[in-house]
Amino acid sequence: DSGVTQTPKHLITATGQRVTLRCSPRSGDLSVYWYQQSLDQGLQFLIQYYNGEERAKGNILERFSAQQFPDLHSELNLSSLELGDSALYFCASSVGTGGEQFFGPGTRLTVL
Amino acid sequence: AQRVTQPEKLLSVFKGAPVELKCNYSYSGSPELFWYVQYSRQRLQLLLRHISRESIKGFTADLNKGETSFHLKKPFAQEEDSAMYYCALKDTGFQKLVFGTGTRLLVSP
Repeated sequence: DSGVTQTPKHLITATGQRVTLRCSPRSGDLSVYWYQQSLDQGLQFLIQYYNGEERAKGNILERFSAQQFPDLHSELNLSSLELGDSALYFCASSVGTGGEQFFGPGTRLTVL
Repeated sequence: AQRVTQPEKLLSVFKGAPVELKCNYSYSGSPELFWYVQYSRQRLQLLLRHISRESIKGFTADLNKGETSFHLKKPFAQEEDSAMYYCALKDTGFQKLVFGTGTRLLVSP
């Protein structure tokens, strides 16, 4: 599959824990975007990386952080998890900083 | 602040009926607007964008700057159109997408 991939598909953890979500962009895409989809907030932009550097920040909590590695994959780290962090986390990628964004299948995080 | 409003959570129609999914936006500047679709158990995918003025799967959307709307229309709905539809606005300053809350379209036979 040459599209955007995300692992894991599902993640169940407890409050206070820390998790890492992984995203591999489409081949050739340099930008990676992270979005959170929750029942009450809808789809919200979290952060964007372009070729390893942070490009834009949205409504991302201080407990959350991300990075993009030299091979262009990205990780979203969520720490001190709360019940309200339960959501679908989507990654998207694009060729440049403004092109069409292609979405991954998402990681469903459940915090118990 | 940029905002996208989709007033309907659910739109239920019969096959062959016309469909209009509403989208209104607020944005200071020239917006770039999109419709994304998410079929059951599939990833979010781009349906159409206003700058290309194309028709995809029979869907069209016209940007009305006066009414700040970008409604999605199809003259004759098909069962396979049943999906979640999201209207989105691109913040051209930061290239991020601002999404509406989505409308679930249910087309019954």
